Amino acid sequence: QVQLQESGPGLVKPSGTLSLTCAVSGGSISSSNWWSWIRQPPGKGLEWIGEIYHSGSTNYNPSLKSRVTISVDKSKNQFSLKLSSVTAADTAVYYCAKDCGITHWFDPWGQGTLVTVSS
Amino acid sequence: QSVLTQPPSVSGAPGQRVTISCTGSSSNIGAGYDVHWYQQLPGTAPKLLIYGNSNRPSGVPDRFSGSKSGTSASLAITGLQAEDEADYYCQSYDSSLTVVFGGGTKLTVL
Repeated sequence: QVQLQESGPGLVKPSGTLSLTCAVSGGSISSSNWWSWIRQPPGKGLEWIGEIYHSGSTNYNPSLKSRVTISVDKSKNQFSLKLSSVTAADTAVYYCAKDCGITHWFDPWGQGTLVTVSS
Repeated sequence: QSVLTQPPSVSGAPGQRVTISCTGSSSNIGAGYDVHWYQQLPGTAPKLLIYGNSNRPSGVPDRFSGSKSGTSASLAITGLQAEDEADYYCQSYDSSLTVVFGGGTKLTVL
């Protein structure tokens, strides 16, 4: 059974770059699935950030595309998120999730990690 | 402002039936894209509840059911239990090539 675990700094300075990694266990990242990042600001709803396939192909939310990079490391069975030029509005719980099927449902999700943007 | 519209809150007494609506447009739900539902208990990650409009993953009680018609979808919960108190989110795909979520609905069990 696939499990996902996010890791990375919990505090990032404004204008800096947020960097997170999602470790995949119980299955291969090279399976026929896409892998996504999703975030949730405190007390608010969910926002899809983007996704990656093991080949390195990516799709990003147009609203974040200019600042987002998602990459994959098949040797470590993990994928990563970089979000540049962050502001307080990027403070959120960041989740990684397995994207199932061509109509994009997410299961499972990682437990999430809170990233705060503050000086 | 979420692309998919959900009521901010719904409530019901134990044993009752409640429904949560999810309204989209011709570029997402109305374009034929499937709707999926998630349950988020306080302080936890969202959990898949319904996928492909009406399919339940293994382990999800049959008290939960989903449907879709036109540009809208609904989640129904029958035999309401205290443990169902949570936030519920609908999700679909949009012709702008992005995954879209509803704003979430808080279910209160009275």
